[in-house]
Amino acid sequence: EPEVTQTPSHQVTQMGQEVILRCVPISNHLYFYWYRQILGQKVEFLVSFYNNEISEKSEIFDDQFSVERPDGSNFTLKIRSTKLEDSAMYFCASRPTTFYGYTFGSGTRLTVV
Amino acid sequence: TQLLEQSPQFLSIQEGENLTVYCNSSSVFSSLQWYRQEPGEGPVLLVTVVTGGEVKKLKRLTFQFGDARKDSSLHITAAQPGDTGLYLCAGYNAGGTSYGKLTFGQGTILTVHP
Repeated sequence: EPEVTQTPSHQVTQMGQEVILRCVPISNHLYFYWYRQILGQKVEFLVSFYNNEISEKSEIFDDQFSVERPDGSNFTLKIRSTKLEDSAMYFCASRPTTFYGYTFGSGTRLTVV
Repeated sequence: TQLLEQSPQFLSIQEGENLTVYCNSSSVFSSLQWYRQEPGEGPVLLVTVVTGGEVKKLKRLTFQFGDARKDSSLHITAAQPGDTGLYLCAGYNAGGTSYGKLTFGQGTILTVHP
């Protein structure tokens, strides 16, 4: 079964530091996403990426956040200057043209101290 | 802003009992998905329903999409301890500027006791 792979599984960083969360989506998928889940809260949409550009982003996805697909396989989420409230599980997801193959990775637990 | 409300938030039952989880919205969705999430893992897609009134079965799990495409339910027959987990519904709207953003409910934590 094809998987979405995320690294690292855990990341602890100091407030104000930059972090890069990495994802390898399923190879023939075309749409890529980042979601986050703060402990005890709903899974929230951050950004979608299609055809090498951001297609939609939420209010959460401000100037501190950026995404890249640098080499056709990796998909990264960068947080430039982390805040305590950025502590959450971050999930990468990808899908083909249909919704039936929507697949999430296992997540990166980000802790900002 | 579209919202999905799931109920109940917590469900604790004995093995062999039946249960239903509800997912409701005041908005119409093009499709609804149900996921199961284990602690420390990402959501795993169980089913996608796209047609109003659609019913899909996955072994002991039955999923229904409301006729107006504003609500959905998940029914589990003869629950087993292995069904324990967090169940999430998520809605999607096609068209316009949407590229597949999912709106999630808050989830239902199901515990099935042996």
